[in-house]
Amino acid sequence: SYVLTQPPSVSVAPGQTARITCGGNNIGSKSVHWYQQKPGQAPVLVVYDDSDRPSGIPERFSGSNSGNTATLTISRVEAGDEADYYCQVWDSSSDFWVFGGGTKLTVL
Amino acid sequence: QVQLQESGPGLVKPSETLSLTCAVSGYSISSGYYWGWIRQPPGKGLEWIGSIYHSGSTYYNPSLKSRVTISVDTSKNQFSLKLSSVTAADTAVYYCAAKDLKAPIDYWGQGTLVTVSS
Repeated sequence: SYVLTQPPSVSVAPGQTARITCGGNNIGSKSVHWYQQKPGQAPVLVVYDDSDRPSGIPERFSGSNSGNTATLTISRVEAGDEADYYCQVWDSSSDFWVFGGGTKLTVL
Repeated sequence: QVQLQESGPGLVKPSETLSLTCAVSGYSISSGYYWGWIRQPPGKGLEWIGSIYHSGSTYYNPSLKSRVTISVDTSKNQFSLKLSSVTAADTAVYYCAAKDLKAPIDYWGQGTLVTVSS
């Protein structure tokens, strides 16, 4: 089955740019979605279809996807962005919902 | 606006069957969407358990397939999860969720903690 690989943790100072990667075989051919999860809460969609933002999500959140890597970029990081981030795709060959292992973003 | 609400026992004994229900409001479950279950063990990541299309077609995580059954009750506008022969490793927050075919997961329940313990 399809596997998504994320770094366990990313650390960044406030005001800097955080980049969280999601690796998968030819992931560039799939639509990648990103979720933010804060402690005790359900995940919230922050980027969908590689680079689109749901309404209400700041422009600081952006995404890209090419080759074997998708990337979630958070510009001008704020303390409130500290959370776990998960990438997710739909594997069309199996109809499975696939999640990456998650990345903990720490704001220093 | 689709709303999802999980319900079921918060404590299940080892070797027994975990049963959860997700009540759907704001949308008819028979109209479309994929309806799924996702779990998250304490301190760990999200794991897709399985999903069911409104037509009744089911899809299960291979690692859990032998123990999982997901079903839909259109008369009550809800769908259910059964996970048999549970162990402590099945202790997790269980979320119900909904999405369209290629779309992201648009809707999540609030999650319910299920603990497996004697």
